[in-house]
Amino acid sequence: AQSVAQPEDQVNVAEGNPLTVKCTYSVSGNPYLFWYVQYPNRGLQFLLKYITGDNLVKGSYGFEAEFNKSQTSFHLKKPSALVSDSALYFCAVSVTNAGNNRKLIWGLGTSLAVNP
Amino acid sequence: GAGVSQTPSNKVTEKGKYVELRCDPISGHTALYWYRQSLGQGPEFLIYFQGTGAADDSGLPNDRFFAVRPEGSVSTLKIQRTERGDSAMYLCASSLGLGLGYNEQFFGPGTRLTVL
Repeated sequence: AQSVAQPEDQVNVAEGNPLTVKCTYSVSGNPYLFWYVQYPNRGLQFLLKYITGDNLVKGSYGFEAEFNKSQTSFHLKKPSALVSDSALYFCAVSVTNAGNNRKLIWGLGTSLAVNP
Repeated sequence: GAGVSQTPSNKVTEKGKYVELRCDPISGHTALYWYRQSLGQGPEFLIYFQGTGAADDSGLPNDRFFAVRPEGSVSTLKIQRTERGDSAMYLCASSLGLGLGYNEQFFGPGTRLTVL
């Protein structure tokens, strides 16, 4: 079955330190991978995506993610965390269903807490 | 407006009642998605429209749930004979493209449905 896993329910980092939020996937074919962020009491916002090309993709708010095909991973990273980065982060992969339509499969989310 | 809007922001209803949730996508976005999100969970796919037609409704949990998009813009999610288990945040998203899966989705703020 096609799936996305976010192995950590919560990640805690100190402000100014680098952060990593992990994501692994299991899909057939070439994956389209996405990261979204959900701030408290706000809607989901797109951060970045990997479709093809360079394995390191850069997105909003200084975030980046590295696509690793051999490890089937798409970890989200930021060199220096801010308190304002504290939020819920979701990894998602676009898969093709039986009707040849694409839809997103979502991870369960990782709560990031950046401590001052 | 510039973003996806959803109304109402909150809906409280009694078990057995009928509810309608409205989504107004970004102008020009041909694809529209409905999701359901429970606390601490990732979005759960319900239905996807390409234009006026439902391209994939495989996520609708049962025949009490129905959605329409008659003019290819605004969409309404309809829930008949609501049950307490229907209580959740209902999210709407829109995107460009023909369902090819590589366009990011833009989310509305959601409708919080509570069934008493």
